[in-house]
Amino acid sequence: GENVEQHPSTLSVQEGDSAVIKCTYSDSASNYFPWYKQELGKGPQLIIDIRSNVGEKKDQRIAVTLNKTAKHFSLHITETQPEDSAVYFCAATVTGNQFYFGTGTSLTVIP
Amino acid sequence: DTAVSQTPKYLVTQMGNDKSIKCEQNLGHDTMYWYKQDSKKFLKIMFSYNNKELIINETVPNRFSPKSPDKAHLNLHINSLELGDSAVYFCASSQDMGTWEQYFGPGTRLTVT
Repeated sequence: GENVEQHPSTLSVQEGDSAVIKCTYSDSASNYFPWYKQELGKGPQLIIDIRSNVGEKKDQRIAVTLNKTAKHFSLHITETQPEDSAVYFCAATVTGNQFYFGTGTSLTVIP
Repeated sequence: DTAVSQTPKYLVTQMGNDKSIKCEQNLGHDTMYWYKQDSKKFLKIMFSYNNKELIINETVPNRFSPKSPDKAHLNLHINSLELGDSAVYFCASSQDMGTWEQYFGPGTRLTVT
């Protein structure tokens, strides 16, 4: 099955700085890569996703990049704000299969 | 309207007891899941149902038994609870298996004493 590794496990940034979280996957057949944000006491929520036919996707302050050759993808958050503080999970899957989640990154934005 | 709801939100019980967690989705999705999140925040899939049929049954003790009475509901029954079962359990749903957004419920925090 798929194996997804996520780094770093914790990340602290100053408000206004950028944050980058990286994930690698093992199954070259994986074709969908979502990112979920989990706020304290809540369930994970999708914030952005990318499919294997696209190299980059952006939504306001959030962007995701995908390198299929190297089998890694990254989440970029620019101009971080305190409300960005949360646990972020990457995942990988292939059509018709389950999600394989990374181990999570706890992001703290320091005001 | 809440898309994916779970009850109860908190569950405190003693070792050896049997308990159930209920999940309902009003999104019209065909696929539902149960995840376990431990104290280190790892999200581990336990079960997946598609159109009321069990699709995924990860290595989970057979004390855990999911039941899907219809496409909108997926309940989790746990027998003979153990200390190691303490965790947050999330229900989720998606339109279908695979490359579809999963919508998570608010979670049920189970504490076994």
